[in-house]
Amino acid sequence: AQSVTQLGSHVSVSEGALVLLRCNYSSSVPPYLFWYVQYPNQGLQLLLKYTSAATLVKGINGFEAEFKKSETSFHLTKPSAHMSDAAEYFCAVTKNTGNQFYFGTGTSLTVIP
Amino acid sequence: NAGVTQTPKFQVLKTGQSMTLQCAQDMNHEYMSWYRQDPGMGLRLIHYSVGAGITDQGEVPNGYNVSRSTTEDFPLRLLSAAPSQTSVYFCASSTVTGPSTGANVLTFGAGSRLTVL
Repeated sequence: AQSVTQLGSHVSVSEGALVLLRCNYSSSVPPYLFWYVQYPNQGLQLLLKYTSAATLVKGINGFEAEFKKSETSFHLTKPSAHMSDAAEYFCAVTKNTGNQFYFGTGTSLTVIP
Repeated sequence: NAGVTQTPKFQVLKTGQSMTLQCAQDMNHEYMSWYRQDPGMGLRLIHYSVGAGITDQGEVPNGYNVSRSTTEDFPLRLLSAAPSQTSVYFCASSTVTGPSTGANVLTFGAGSRLTVL
């Protein structure tokens, strides 16, 4: 079975500081990995996805994530946090058929002015 | 382009009542799915469909029924609501064409908040 683990249900950073949200996956085959963001009272929207083309993936709003097979990790980073980054972030994994996505429990990011 | 539309946005039910959450998409997506979102548990897949007439169970299907008579619509039915079904429900869709369909991106609706008393 595939799953993802997000370490830290709540992360607080100061405006301008580095954002690091952690995601580890378990999979018996190379997976497809995603980060989604959810703003208050909205549905989820895609930040970025890993499809084996490159280990460092760049997404929207300055976010990026690096796929590390040896660590089974796909951590999300942003060099400088902005107030508008405050949201809930979900890591997700699926396999080749794409019929079942498995989401992590989410990390709520707070940006302190 | 409306994307994925969910109705109603809010609903309060009494235990034992039935209701249907509606989901419609106008992107001609073959794949549609329902998730529930609960605090500390992330999103869990309830049911999904890869095309009209085809449905399958996800992680937490008990207490929910689905059908897919058209490409556009994928309603979720609660036949006898229970307080444990209090949650926020999301419908999501994507394409399933191509050899690497796992790379497809889900498009989510805005959610339906259900409270069962």
